[in-house]
Amino acid sequence: EVQLLESEGGLVQPGGSLRLSCAASGFTFSNYAMTWVRQAAGKGLEWVSAISGNGDTTIYADSVKGRFTISRDNSKNTLYLQMNSLRAEDTAVYYCAKDQYNWNSIMDVWGKGTTVTVSS
Amino acid sequence: QSALTQPASVSGSPGQSITISCIGSSSDVGANDYVSWFQQHPGKAPKLILYDVSHRPSGVSFRFSGSKSGNTASLTISGLQAEDEADYFCCPFITGNTWVFGGGTKLTVL
Repeated sequence: EVQLLESEGGLVQPGGSLRLSCAASGFTFSNYAMTWVRQAAGKGLEWVSAISGNGDTTIYADSVKGRFTISRDNSKNTLYLQMNSLRAEDTAVYYCAKDQYNWNSIMDVWGKGTTVTVSS
Repeated sequence: QSALTQPASVSGSPGQSITISCIGSSSDVGANDYVSWFQQHPGKAPKLILYDVSHRPSGVSFRFSGSKSGNTASLTISGLQAEDEADYFCCPFITGNTWVFGGGTKLTVL
């Protein structure tokens, strides 16, 4: 069974940093692209970033470009999201998701999500 | 960033059929046939229910179907059941190799 488990989020001050991780199991991790999606409380979904199976290709939403970095360690079956210069508007539940294929495909399995709160 | 329009809410009685529209533009819904739909129950993660406009992932009920015409994609749920009560989001693939979500539609089963 495919499983994705995000690390615990937390409370961070504006301007601070936080790294999320997502442990994957039940599939050959390196064969699939991975994606982060977030959802502010009571709001819709926002695609954040994606990374190819081998990690060579990454892409970001304009809202996080230059502040967030997606990466992966295929030897550890783990996806990461390094979030710097955090803002109040980054407060959300962050989901990691497995893509259907290696790149440019829809997110077909999602983790349960982890909550990030940016506040002083 | 494209703007997709979904009705804020729809409702139907058990056994009925409902349709949720997702109105976009030639840069998103109308750009290709990579439109997906997600179902999200309160407090839960989204679940993929349709991809490539009308394809159902394994395990998704045949009661869920999708279509597209021009810049509008549609999700139809037939034979409504209480468990279908949830939020539904369309998600087209857009220029720039990214995905964008519609604002979401709350389905109430009366």
